[in-house]
Amino acid sequence: DAGVIQSPRHEVTEMGQEVTLRCKPISGHNSLFWYRQTMMRGLELLIYFNNNVPIDDSGMPEDRFSAKMPNASFSTLKIQPSEPRDSAVYFCASSQQGAAGANVLTFGAGSRLTVL
Amino acid sequence: SQQGEEDPQALSIQEGENATMNCSYKTSINNLQWYRQNSGRGLVHLILIRSNEREKHSGRLRVTLDTSKKSSSLLITASRAADTASYFCAAGGGSTLGRLYFGRGTQLTVWP
Repeated sequence: DAGVIQSPRHEVTEMGQEVTLRCKPISGHNSLFWYRQTMMRGLELLIYFNNNVPIDDSGMPEDRFSAKMPNASFSTLKIQPSEPRDSAVYFCASSQQGAAGANVLTFGAGSRLTVL
Repeated sequence: SQQGEEDPQALSIQEGENATMNCSYKTSINNLQWYRQNSGRGLVHLILIRSNEREKHSGRLRVTLDTSKKSSSLLITASRAADTASYFCAAGGGSTLGRLYFGRGTQLTVWP
């Protein structure tokens, strides 16, 4: 298995531009998570999906952020319009979550976003 | 909000020494996990301990959990330079099933 695949690995864009980050979870995993990591705030959960349905989006900073999971093998995180404070590393992670079991996450390599 | 907090924030030791990192959490849990992150990479799961367990071992790793104090510790014995990384604890199984609350991490540096 190739693991969780994220693209792009690096993106540099100008303020106001739209940014789309992509994630392919591990085949067979039923949960998908988007995290953001910065030095100031650490690792923040933005949103997570279970069986393609958003379960908790309370971490999404504001309306400029949106996430979709149209099928079990693909998710996007979109920022429109982007701002310099959105600069961070964005991680996607997936897991096979049981009804009451522990949730062990497999992370992608991350997408490093720089907004100028 | 972040529910896990690691201590210390940074730890610097020599190869062969043991490294101990601590974690405190706020939410009720059914498991506590530790992850490792090498510079520029994603997090990698190391070990999971369930709320009804007190201690768990995996190779050179030893994890303890004290649910009465809402704390956990990760011990790496006989450390190696390759253990240099950031280590995060994650509290799981709280009010929102499936959600993991990560701390800010401990940056461990092991000098050869």
